Amino acid sequence: GNSVTQMEGPVTLSEEAFLTINCTYTATGYPSLFWYVQYPGEGLQLLLKATKADDKGSNKGFEATYRKETTSFHLEKGSVQVSDSAVYFCALSDRGQGAQKLVFGQGTRLTINP
Amino acid sequence: DTEVTQTPKHLVMGMTNKKSLKCEQHMGHRAMYWYKQKAKKPPELMFVYSYEKLSINESVPSRFSPECPNSSLLNLHLHALQPEDSALYLCASSQDFSRGQFNEQFFGPGTRLTVL
Repeated sequence: GNSVTQMEGPVTLSEEAFLTINCTYTATGYPSLFWYVQYPGEGLQLLLKATKADDKGSNKGFEATYRKETTSFHLEKGSVQVSDSAVYFCALSDRGQGAQKLVFGQGTRLTINP
Repeated sequence: DTEVTQTPKHLVMGMTNKKSLKCEQHMGHRAMYWYKQKAKKPPELMFVYSYEKLSINESVPSRFSPECPNSSLLNLHLHALQPEDSALYLCASSQDFSRGQFNEQFFGPGTRLTVL
């Protein structure tokens, strides 16, 4: 079945550091890819998405490019802030039983120190 | 309005209690979802409703009973739960899937459930 693998955390960085969180996927067909962020005590928020190969999703300084040849969707940010501390989930779309599903990676906890 | 609301925010219940979780959205979405999230884990899909009909049940125990009274509301009825059912229960919604494209899911803040 379809699956998502994320780099294990936790990840701790200093403010203004460069961030990369790796995400690779296994899927049949051409899924859409997503990054969701979960701040402490909250639900998930969509951070960015890409629906086809070579698409680049971007939001709030975060970027990720849909790489079909390497089946990857790595999350990057050039200069992180303390407010970026959260758990980040990579996910792909899946279809089953006439409805759509999200398949999540295990999540990466990010802590940014001032 | 791009918000999914959930009530209550926190719920503590005994193993013999019956309670319900509620979810509401006013974005005109026709697909709604229940997820269960344990600490430090990703959300696990429980149920999917599409056009108020149950489309997916991910082999969830019958002590969890979903209900979709109309296109804006989704309930999760709880009965005879176990302590291991303690978790964050997340509701989500998305536009319909009928056009063949995958639409992003919007999540509510969740209900933190503790079963004693």
